[in-house]
Amino acid sequence: QVQLVQSGAEMKKPGASVKVSCKASGYTFTNYGISWVRQAPGQGLEWMGRVSAYNGNTNYAQRLQGRVTMTTDTSTSTAYMELRSLRSDDTAVYFCARNAAIIRWHPLYYMDVWGEGTTVTVSS
Amino acid sequence: DIQMTQSPSSLSASMGDRVTITCRATQNISAYLNWYQQKPGKAPKLLIYAASSLHSGVPSSFSGSGSGTDFTLTITSLQPEDFATYYCQQSYRTPFTFGPGTKVDIK
Repeated sequence: QVQLVQSGAEMKKPGASVKVSCKASGYTFTNYGISWVRQAPGQGLEWMGRVSAYNGNTNYAQRLQGRVTMTTDTSTSTAYMELRSLRSDDTAVYFCARNAAIIRWHPLYYMDVWGEGTTVTVSS
Repeated sequence: DIQMTQSPSSLSASMGDRVTITCRATQNISAYLNWYQQKPGKAPKLLIYAASSLHSGVPSSFSGSGSGTDFTLTITSLQPEDFATYYCQQSYRTPFTFGPGTKVDIK
């Protein structure tokens, strides 16, 4: 079955970096992009950005620009999200999700399969 | 960025009730609107995409409508497993922003 399996929980100090992985199975990895979404404790969902597994193209949320990098490894069907210069307000659950699309002149994307989430705690 | 609002922010309902959640975008997003359901401690699940298309496996008690700036999610007969938080999300332009969520709990 189609699934995304994420790496385990991380605890980091302020200023450090974290790299979360998301391993895909059950579908052709390069046919879909991956979005990353985070959720701070008790808060709503925040879209962080997306990466194309076909060509590596990325779009990032402006507020994370410069601190986040999203990549893919097609040899292992794995997507990665690295966040640098961590702050306490980066404490959140980080989800990866597959980007399905209705292909037309202006594609419509939606996230149809989600990973289970990775808890990242930033604390001194 | 396109901002999304939802109303109400929370509601209490009984099993069997009809529930309607509204989502509004700050600019015209055509039908580039998706709905997700999230239960505590779990990943979100896709319910509706393209404003009104029901995702595979989602009960037909869920429906979506709207276009432009105003959208609704309707649950025709609330079941125990429907108590959750619901988010709308626009995918017209990046960043693909979410609404703040609507929590549906038991009256």
